[in-house]
Amino acid sequence: GAVVSQHPSWVICKSGTSVKIECRSLDFQATTMFWYRQFPKQSLMLMATSNEGSKATYEQGVEKDKFLINHASLTLSTLTVTSAHPEDSSFYICSAREAPTGGGLNTEAFFGQGTRLTVV
Amino acid sequence: DAKTTQPPSMDCAEGRAANLPCNHSTISGNEYVYWYRQIHSQGPQYIIHGLKNNETNEMASLIITEDRKSSTLILPHATLRDTAVYYCIVRVADYGGATNKLIFGTGTLLAVQP
Repeated sequence: GAVVSQHPSWVICKSGTSVKIECRSLDFQATTMFWYRQFPKQSLMLMATSNEGSKATYEQGVEKDKFLINHASLTLSTLTVTSAHPEDSSFYICSAREAPTGGGLNTEAFFGQGTRLTVV
Repeated sequence: DAKTTQPPSMDCAEGRAANLPCNHSTISGNEYVYWYRQIHSQGPQYIIHGLKNNETNEMASLIITEDRKSSTLILPHATLRDTAVYYCIVRVADYGGATNKLIFGTGTLLAVQP
């Protein structure tokens, strides 16, 4: 399957600082990327849908000014956690879907390995 | 997208088949059944998907009931490395242009025992 890479794999930052997480599709073009957050012993929660060249669509309850998403190219989306606080500590996961071609069925999404953010 | 119901946990002996059930009684005609798994502290991994016919690949088999209200993921010979949370998700097909989201439920924690 296609490869999605996240960077960094883990990061520790001080409260009040901002952290940027990158999500790259390595061998395919992704018009759409998804950002999830996962707290310990919980399922993945979708935060936002990122579309190349346009504004992200945020899920209800997710602060768009706090979680800045940029999808400037077909292979890169970034999530910036601004003014991070300890409660933002979580496992952040991105997912990418290949650009559909020829009107065919676009199937599975591919996931990055996740980024563990710890805010101290 | 239709909601799914899965048992919270299951055990399976190493080398035996693992059968993971999923109930999706409100599934619509244009919704597919997808299975993903998440090994601890990793991103989810795609396993298999299907619409109404049974499907098989190198990882698993997917059995969908005739009324499509439930399905079973079968790992034919479970190994310790198959210990993970398995998610059953239903969503509509994407014929281009749509940004269909994958909404995860709570999944089933499969523990493969030596």
